[in-house]
Amino acid sequence: AQKVTQAQTEISVVEKEDVTLDCVYETRDTTYYLFWYKQPPSGELVFLIRRNSFDEQNEISGRYSWNFQKSTSSFNFTITASQVVDSAVYFCALSTFKTSYDKVIFGPGTSLSVIP
Amino acid sequence: DVKVTQSSRYLVKRTGEKVFLECVQDMDHENMFWYRQDPGLGLRLIYFSYDVKMKEKGDIPEGYSVSREKKERFSLILESASTNQTSMYLCASRVAGVGYEQYFGPGTRLTVT
Repeated sequence: AQKVTQAQTEISVVEKEDVTLDCVYETRDTTYYLFWYKQPPSGELVFLIRRNSFDEQNEISGRYSWNFQKSTSSFNFTITASQVVDSAVYFCALSTFKTSYDKVIFGPGTSLSVIP
Repeated sequence: DVKVTQSSRYLVKRTGEKVFLECVQDMDHENMFWYRQDPGLGLRLIYFSYDVKMKEKGDIPEGYSVSREKKERFSLILESASTNQTSMYLCASRVAGVGYEQYFGPGTRLTVT
C-alpha cells in the first residue's frame, strides 16, 4: 500500500530559526515521484519541488533545501532562516504508477507558523 | 501565467440540493483533478479526468459525479448534497504524463446545512 506520513501536525518557530518538515513515504514501486507543495492562507497549493526515485541528490533553492533518503523512505524539507511569509501548510505527496496514469497520494500536511 | 479558476470561493447549500462546482484552466492541460481537503486528512482524490469525456474514480467518489465536455472545464456535481460533504474542494490540472506537478485553483469552501 502507498502512504505518506507527515508526523508533525503543527510547528511554531520564531522568525530566523531553521525548521525541518518531515515526510516519510511507503511504496513497493521502484519508480515513483515525490513532491512538496505549499498552501498559504489564501488556499491555493503551490508546487515547490519534484524528485524521482532514481535521483537521490539533495537540492537547495535559496532558503529551501530538500533531503531525499531512499534508505529511510524520507523526503524532508528544511527552511533556513524562516520568515513570516513561510507560514503555511506544507504537503508532501507521492506519485506512483497505475496502468495508464499515476496515482498521487498526499500526506496530511504540516502547518507551519513563523512568529515575528 | 498558469491559471486555474474555480467558480466560487464560498458556497452554502441545503441538504438535498444539487450542487455544481466548476473549474476552468487556461493551460491546455489534458489532466484535471477534483480533491476534497479536510483537517488531518490532507487531500483526497474524488475524480480524475485524463482527457475530454474521460474520467476515473478516485479514492472517495461516492456521492459525486463529474463532467468534462471541454478540455478546459471540469465540473464536480453533488447529486444530493449532504452535511458530510461540507469541505474544501480543490481543483487541479497538469500536463498529461506521469510525475508532472499539478496546478491548483484557490478552492471552494462548501457548507451544506
